[in-house]
Amino acid sequence: DAGITQSPRHKVTETGTPVTLRCHQTENHRYMYWYRQDPGHGLRLIHYSYGVKDTDKGEVSDGYSVSRSKTEDFLLTLESATSSQTSVYFCAISAGGYGYTFGSGTRLTVV
Amino acid sequence: QKEVEQDPGPLSVPEGAIVSLNCTYSNSAFQYFMWYRQYSRKGPELLMYTYSSGNKEDGRFTAQVDKSSKYISLFIRDSQPSDSATYLCAMSTDPNRDDKIIFGKGTRLHILP
Repeated sequence: DAGITQSPRHKVTETGTPVTLRCHQTENHRYMYWYRQDPGHGLRLIHYSYGVKDTDKGEVSDGYSVSRSKTEDFLLTLESATSSQTSVYFCAISAGGYGYTFGSGTRLTVV
Repeated sequence: QKEVEQDPGPLSVPEGAIVSLNCTYSNSAFQYFMWYRQYSRKGPELLMYTYSSGNKEDGRFTAQVDKSSKYISLFIRDSQPSDSATYLCAMSTDPNRDDKIIFGKGTRLHILP
């Protein structure tokens, strides 16, 4: 996806380990978002950022933290991964209007 | 009542048919309406963006908004197998203040060759 990349694309990790997912953008957009997508639940907002060091919680933020030290990078950390956090994680960016641009996703499996 | 309701499908139609996808919503403050298309194992991509009521056409796609009924639709004419994907409706009150976009859960569409 042009202007936004997520890494890694796939990850398998063990219960109880910390995991960090990275979202990198080259669009200089102000807003960045982390979603998880699960069957039957659709897209659910985890955390979002409206600028460097400015972040806020979404509807499913428990067990997750974020950091944004540079405009281009938004990190999502699972402090201690659980099986319920097995999901596909999407990052999205926005300039403040006209919809979001999504990354290709990170498929995370917690075993 | 959930803010945005969308039938999950799957919806299977023969190639060449007209497809109608729909969402209802409860928040009358929504002013901006979007449709995203998501192919398997890919991120959602913005397909259509409309403001307030009325129709917007882009090639084979037409987005329709009826604010009085709190109902939005996406029509696909001359459907193709490449249209097979999940379609998510989405809406917000004021994107210029970045009021967060609310997404439907998506409708899975299969176009049968």
